[in-house]
Amino acid sequence: SQQGEEDPQALSIQEGENATMNCSYKTSINNLQWYRQNSGRGLVHLILIRSNEREKHSGRLRVTLDTSKKSSSLLITASRAADTASYFCATTGADSWGKLQFGAGTQVVVTP
Amino acid sequence: GAVVSQHPSWVICKSGTSVKIECRSLDFQATTMFWYRQFPKQSLMLMATSNEGSKATYEQGVEKDKFLINHASLTLSTLTVTSAHPEDSSFYICSARDRDRGPYNSPLHFGNGTRLTVT
Repeated sequence: SQQGEEDPQALSIQEGENATMNCSYKTSINNLQWYRQNSGRGLVHLILIRSNEREKHSGRLRVTLDTSKKSSSLLITASRAADTASYFCATTGADSWGKLQFGAGTQVVVTP
Repeated sequence: GAVVSQHPSWVICKSGTSVKIECRSLDFQATTMFWYRQFPKQSLMLMATSNEGSKATYEQGVEKDKFLINHASLTLSTLTVTSAHPEDSSFYICSARDRDRGPYNSPLHFGNGTRLTVT
């Protein structure tokens, strides 16, 4: 079953603008991760934030986590056409295998 | 580093035949691999957790006799879609976790997926 809901479902912006997408989840987590998927391809890991962290940065990416609201956000600053992709949040719970449950995803289109 | 190779990238088969998809971790060992299924413009649905040397654990609603998983070594897991039907047409993606990183607080590494079309 899917763990999270993401919004917006789709986002269209111009190069140079910032893109923000949100993710909500339902159960307690060990960590929350964001992945990117280019059309017809596998997923690429972007960033992992642990349940005891509130904010994390990686290059042009900024992730926040609010465990009290069971939500996270991903901000991509100064977007580029190459950022066009689907973005998924995923959570790891307390089960023994650390399996990931994915959200519905946000489709981002960055136009030059 | 942390490359997962999935093969084939696409396959077309006739209804009733079986198809095997391979997932290999090239530069790390993976005690656990995961198989996902993805429909167009939708999220990834976890099908099963594949553990080296033991039986796979299937998610609710996934037929284990239809989707056979074998994890014979620390670098290879296979998914066999048996007696495929058109409704099995989908995008199948495998992922693996580096066993040296532990099950928590480490990312999954994904293959590039297999597009299965059953005619």
